[in-house]
Amino acid sequence: EVQLVESGGGLIQPGGSLRLSCAASGFTLSNSWMYWVRQGPGKGLVGVAYSSSDGSITGHADSVKGRFTISRDNARNTLYLQMNSLRAEDTAVYYCAKLVRRGSRDDYWGQGTLVTVSS
Amino acid sequence: EIVLTQSPGTLSLSPGEGATLSCRASQSVSSSYLAWYQQKPGQTPRLLIYGASSRATGIPDRFSGSGSGTDFTLSISRLEPEDFAVYYCHQYDSSPRTFGQGTKVEIK
Repeated sequence: EVQLVESGGGLIQPGGSLRLSCAASGFTLSNSWMYWVRQGPGKGLVGVAYSSSDGSITGHADSVKGRFTISRDNARNTLYLQMNSLRAEDTAVYYCAKLVRRGSRDDYWGQGTLVTVSS
Repeated sequence: EIVLTQSPGTLSLSPGEGATLSCRASQSVSSSYLAWYQQKPGQTPRLLIYGASSRATGIPDRFSGSGSGTDFTLSISRLEPEDFAVYYCHQYDSSPRTFGQGTKVEIK
């Protein structure tokens, strides 16, 4: 059974940092492109960052570029999102996901971890 | 980036009625790399449709997707009580991947 379990969320002051983790099981992380998707309170889904299977290709949304960094440790089956210089508008549930892609209909989401940026 | 615009924002319908949701892309989505998700309150998104028209595993056949290029449609033939939710389209043709803003299907 595929499982994605996020951790690391919480209440943080503006300007602070958090590192989110996503523990993957039930599939081979080293063969999978992975994504972080966030959803603000009462808002829609927004792609935040992505990582190729070996981590050599990454991308970040313009809204987080220079502040957030996606990375992975395939040996530990874990995906990360380092979030620095947090702002109130970063408040959201952050989902780790293995999304449908060309040639694969596999689509799995974690339960999400809530990040609240507030003083 | 490809911007996806969904319409309408909210659809008020009764159980048993049909629903038609639209998703328009700002540029062509090649090879129909367009998906639809359903999300209920407090739940994670669930994949309904991929490749514009293929149903994901376990999705009832009352859900169907169509379209190509820049115009895509999700149709629900007869709304069941469990279908009232928010629906998002999502393109995976190019990076960054993008989502539409969502269409809420609510009980009239």
